[in-house]
Amino acid sequence: EDQVTQSPEALRLQEGESSSLNCSYTVSGLRGLFWYRQDPGKGPEFLFTLYSAGEEKEKERLKATLTKKESFLHITAPKPEDSATYLCAVQTRGGGYNKLIFGAGTRLAVHP
Amino acid sequence: DAEITQSPRHKITETGRQVTLACHQTWNHNNMFWYRQDLGHGLRLIHYSYGVQDTNKGEVSDGYSVSRSNTEDLPLTLESAASSQTSVYFCASSESSGSVFGEQYFGPGTRLTVT
Repeated sequence: EDQVTQSPEALRLQEGESSSLNCSYTVSGLRGLFWYRQDPGKGPEFLFTLYSAGEEKEKERLKATLTKKESFLHITAPKPEDSATYLCAVQTRGGGYNKLIFGAGTRLAVHP
Repeated sequence: DAEITQSPRHKITETGRQVTLACHQTWNHNNMFWYRQDLGHGLRLIHYSYGVQDTNKGEVSDGYSVSRSNTEDLPLTLESAASSQTSVYFCASSESSGSVFGEQYFGPGTRLTVT
């Protein structure tokens, strides 16, 4: 069964304290891994797409990496405005259709 | 600017009533999706559509239906609302191409409470 697991469920950081969020997956055929940011009361917002092991993408203080079994979202010197829930999703294909499977997310709180 | 909107943003209904949630996108995307989000779960796919007149069941489709009569709209209907359907519902859209399928644009969500 296709599955996406994110850890930790919640993470509290001090401003400037770097850390990483993990997304591990077991799918029958990975067609892409996606990171989203979700602010309270809003819909998820797309951040990155990763397609193959070894690939990296960066945006401001965020860097996403991909291996054959997991992805990491590294947050360097975070600021309070980085506080949000970060969602990971994998694209797979079954029954002739593409599907996107989401993890439960990591709630990040960055305190001044 | 292109966008995706949902209405209503909040809805309270009674058990057994039929409810329809609206979703409208101006991205001109062929793909549209409905998800529900509950505490402790990730976004779970209810129904999806790859184009006009195309609809497909997702992993939690029981009790829900959709129809796609044009590119812009994918309304979600709860045939007979149940308390288990209390949730936040998100609509999303994406381009058709396989390489950008997962880059989905989400609406602001509808918070539905079934009493």
